[in-house]
Parts: sequence; structure tokens; C-alpha cells
Amino acid sequence: QQQVKQSPQSLIVQKGGISIINCAYENTAFDYFPWYQQFPGKGPALLIAIRPDVSEKKEGRFTISFNKSAKQFSLHIMDSQPGDSATYFCAASKSNYQLIWGAGTKLIIKP
Amino acid sequence: DAGITQSPRHKVTETGTPVTLRCHQTENHRYMYWYRQDPGHGLRLIHYSYGVKDTDKGEVSDGYSVSRSKTEDFLLTLESATSSQTSVYFCAIRQGALVDTQYFGPGTRLTVL
Repeated sequence: QQQVKQSPQSLIVQKGGISIINCAYENTAFDYFPWYQQFPGKGPALLIAIRPDVSEKKEGRFTISFNKSAKQFSLHIMDSQPGDSATYFCAASKSNYQLIWGAGTKLIIKP
Repeated sequence: DAGITQSPRHKVTETGTPVTLRCHQTENHRYMYWYRQDPGHGLRLIHYSYGVKDTDKGEVSDGYSVSRSKTEDFLLTLESATSSQTSVYFCAIRQGALVDTQYFGPGTRLTVL
């Protein structure tokens, strides 16, 4: 019930393409769903986050789509650029308490 | 970077030795966290603190202890290091009870031989 399952484990996308990373959760009490971006040798940094009262949130080229009934949420990166190459983590939490993390997706954008 | 530093940044130690990692923050945040990051596991919470001398266990706390005697410092101790504790350790802060975002330090790479 506490798990967040993330897929795919790795992803290669051509420059200019759309990168899509998916996460699924079981615990319906989760009320906060962030995505973090991590570059090699650095700590994760918040990219974008959503709450279950909205189905989509967009910030620049990054969009979270949220499907409450399916208990799934996804990150879409439009017009993917080589600088987007990083590891992406989804997470979920209940009442701002403890983040439960997905296993991560290593994204490579090919020029 | 939310004023978070971790020390040391890299450490190699031997099985059975005690190890202490330090997380230091300069912005007086109440909430601090210790995670470990391993391939295929994402980040897993070891311990967290919600104030001076107030700490609690996370999902992978066995073999680890923490202390927070000052707001700015959160120490993680491996009492007797094992090879399974080879990992990258991240400290994070949260700016307050009503703020969701966690900000991470640069990490400490620990190798236990």
C-alpha cells in the first residue's frame, strides 16, 4: 500500500520528442505527488508537483497528468532537450508527512 | 541549494567501524531528513527530525541512529558499518509543516569495505 511503482526504468528519446514517465500508487490517502529531477553527483530537485484535486498541471515543457480513479500519474516532457537528460523520480505523500519514492527513470535525450 | 551542506562528501571505511555523517543547514528549518539512495530503490527514508531532540524512524532505520542537538545540525551514525550500508546518503530539509517541498543536500558517497 505504501509503494509507488515507476516505469520505465530507462528511456531514450530523440531531441524534440516527448518523454513520458509513469507512476502508479495504491494508497488512496496520498494527497501530494511531486516529480524530482536529479543530475549525476547532485541531490534531487523538485521539478513539478500536483495535488489530486486537479487532473493536469503544466510548467513550461513539463506536465503532470493525474488520473485519480486509476491511481496513476505521469510526467510528460515536451520538446525534450539534451539538457533534460537526468534521472527522474516520482513520489507521493500523505499530509506532507513522508515522501514515498519511485525507483527512478534514467532519461537520455539523443541529439 | 537551501543552504544545506553535507560532510564528508566521500568516505571509505571498513566493516565494523563507526561512521558519522553530518548535515548542516543555515536557514533554521525545523524538518530534516536522512535518505539513502541505491540503484533500483529510489530514495528510502532512514530517519527524520521535526525539531531539536525530536527524531523518528523511517522505513530503513535498522543499523542507523541520529541526533539533533542543534537546529542546524542533523547527524547520522552507523554504529558498526556493514557492506550493505554502502550507498549514497542524502540529507534534506523541509521548510515547514505547510510546505511540501523537500530540498536536498549534495550527498555523501559511503563505501564500506
